[in-house]
Amino acid sequence: GQNIDQPTEMTATEGAIVQINCTYQTSGFNGLFWYQQHAGEAPTFLSYNVLDGLEEKGRFSSFLSRSKGYSYLLLKELQMKDSASYLCAVRDSNYQLIWGAGTKLIIKP
Amino acid sequence: ETGVTQTPRHLVMGMTNKKSLKCEQHLGHNAMYWYKQSAKKPLELMFVYNFKEQTENNSVPSRFSPECPNSSHLFLHLHTLQPEDSALYLCASSQDIPGGAETQYFGPGTRLLVL
Repeated sequence: GQNIDQPTEMTATEGAIVQINCTYQTSGFNGLFWYQQHAGEAPTFLSYNVLDGLEEKGRFSSFLSRSKGYSYLLLKELQMKDSASYLCAVRDSNYQLIWGAGTKLIIKP
Repeated sequence: ETGVTQTPRHLVMGMTNKKSLKCEQHLGHNAMYWYKQSAKKPLELMFVYNFKEQTENNSVPSRFSPECPNSSHLFLHLHTLQPEDSALYLCASSQDIPGGAETQYFGPGTRLLVL
């Protein structure tokens, strides 16, 4: 079967750095997405990786290793507004999105 | 209005009621999706419409009935729901291109409670 694994919850301190991991086993691979979802709001697109390596976008970076079936989202200089759930999703060989259950990130002052 | 909008934002209904959820996208996309999001579970894809044609129905019970009158509007008609259908229902849209769809953009969702 197809599976996306990410930690259920993480806690970090304002101003610090946090890395949210995502591992996947899917039938084929056509890209990996990270979304941010604040409580009661829409998931919003953060990043897309299809080739191995690091994609940097401001305070957020996303890394992909296709051979390891692994990605991480790196958040730097954490702010209280970064408290949210972070969803990992992989597009399989049929171009269907397979979703993880999300990682709830709690930022403490 | 910009992006993807959904109404209502909250809905409480009894098991014998009939209601409809509405989604509208203002992004010029040609594909629209309904997802169910339950607490601590992955997003569950329910239906996909591409150029107004339904292309996916992931074994969704018939008490959920989608309708896509045009590429900008999507409805989810609900009838005789069960308490376990209580969840956040998310609509999304994307631009389908040869070889696959582009990034999906989501609406804020309808929080549904079935009593």
